Amino acid sequence: DAKTTQPNSMESNEEEPVHLPCNHSTISGTDYIHWYRQLPSQGPEYVIHGLTSNVNNRMASLAIAEDRKSSTLILHRATLRDAAVYYCILRGQTGANNLFFGTGTRLTVIP
Amino acid sequence: EAEVAQSPRYKITEKSQAVAFWCDPISGHATLYWYRQILGQGPELLVQFQDESVVDDSQLPKDRFSAERLKGVDSTLKIQPAELGDSAMYLCASSLGRGQRELFFGEGSRLTVL
Repeated sequence: DAKTTQPNSMESNEEEPVHLPCNHSTISGTDYIHWYRQLPSQGPEYVIHGLTSNVNNRMASLAIAEDRKSSTLILHRATLRDAAVYYCILRGQTGANNLFFGTGTRLTVIP
Repeated sequence: EAEVAQSPRYKITEKSQAVAFWCDPISGHATLYWYRQILGQGPELLVQFQDESVVDDSQLPKDRFSAERLKGVDSTLKIQPAELGDSAMYLCASSLGRGQRELFFGEGSRLTVL
């Protein structure tokens, strides 16, 4: 499975936008980019996913580079509740196509 | 809102004892996953079921771990005998199917082996 590289930690001020980067230089043409987050003492929760085009939903936006070797999760206005570990995961389309989590980025939101 | 139910929430046991965790997925979800998460690390897949069949158990330590989903609904993960290194959070997740469908996770079962 192709791997992703994320910064170990990031900080953001409350009510400001947050850009969480992810590098995936070995992504294959059929891999989707998924983002999950894990709040303290909870299981992970789905945030967003995409293949080639940028995606928006009620939680966040996903910006995918034209060559697909990197992507950025954008939280438009960070709240204290957004403090979590964010995982960027590549998910294939064949076989078991499981989610393989790395260590993610720990986001701290400063009041 | 439907949730994935797991029990027990916490379990403390001594090494060499048997431990079992139970998971009830969201109704109608055909795919069920068990993950293990060691403190400070991301979740690691142990086993994936599609209905009652195992799709992937390549990372399951089969000498001591077993998992079943007999009727394709709820599932049990067992460890026998437990070892100190098994201390972790055991997370269950379910999804409507495979492909790119999102996974819904339970709150997990935290195991401490003394």
